[in-house]
Amino acid sequence: NAGVTQTPKFRILKIGQSMTLQCTQDMNHNYMYWYRQDPGMGLKLIYYSVGAGITDKGEVPNGYNVSRSTTEDFPLRLELAAPSQTSVYFCASSGQTGVSYNEQFFGPGTRLTVL
Amino acid sequence: AQRVTQPEKLLSVFKGAPVELKCNYSYSGSPELFWYVQYSRQRLQLLLRHISRESIKGFTADLNKGETSFHLKKPFAQEEDSAMYYCALSGKTSGSRLTFGEGTQLTVNP
Repeated sequence: NAGVTQTPKFRILKIGQSMTLQCTQDMNHNYMYWYRQDPGMGLKLIYYSVGAGITDKGEVPNGYNVSRSTTEDFPLRLELAAPSQTSVYFCASSGQTGVSYNEQFFGPGTRLTVL
Repeated sequence: AQRVTQPEKLLSVFKGAPVELKCNYSYSGSPELFWYVQYSRQRLQLLLRHISRESIKGFTADLNKGETSFHLKKPFAQEEDSAMYYCALSGKTSGSRLTFGEGTQLTVNP
């Protein structure tokens, strides 16, 4: 299994441009997440999904959109890129929660710079 | 609101010395606590979780509900332990979502 894959690895955008960060998992996980990691700030949850067709906002959703049309894919869309969106973006997935909360598996990250 | 605090952004120790990475949390209820680790040029991965009560790579962490802490400890640090460590919390009201601390960069010097 490849686990969680993300593309692209790196990207430079100009202010106002748009792009989609791709995320795919092959573990048949119901739950998927997008985080951003800023230096010294830890990981902040942008959006998450509990299954195909269901998405919800996390802690820092402004400026982003997501969709979940399949179990495997969870793309993150930036419509009007701003310098404040310069960050490293991580996608993660986890299996069905039961009594305890399952481990999240992370992708390798996408480093985005907005100039 | 739930919150995780890691007071040390940087921690440097010598090989063979004990190491403790601090984590404090605030949550009104019974949380589940985790430690995630990110080695250089690798992806973030789970190190251990409090309900498992296990030792991974010599690391242990005990949940202290009275002090609302979940410190990560290892009696004898190794150079390969150098990495970024994140403490994370999940609670019943947040489902599977994790709240991460700011992270501690551990450097183990030879």
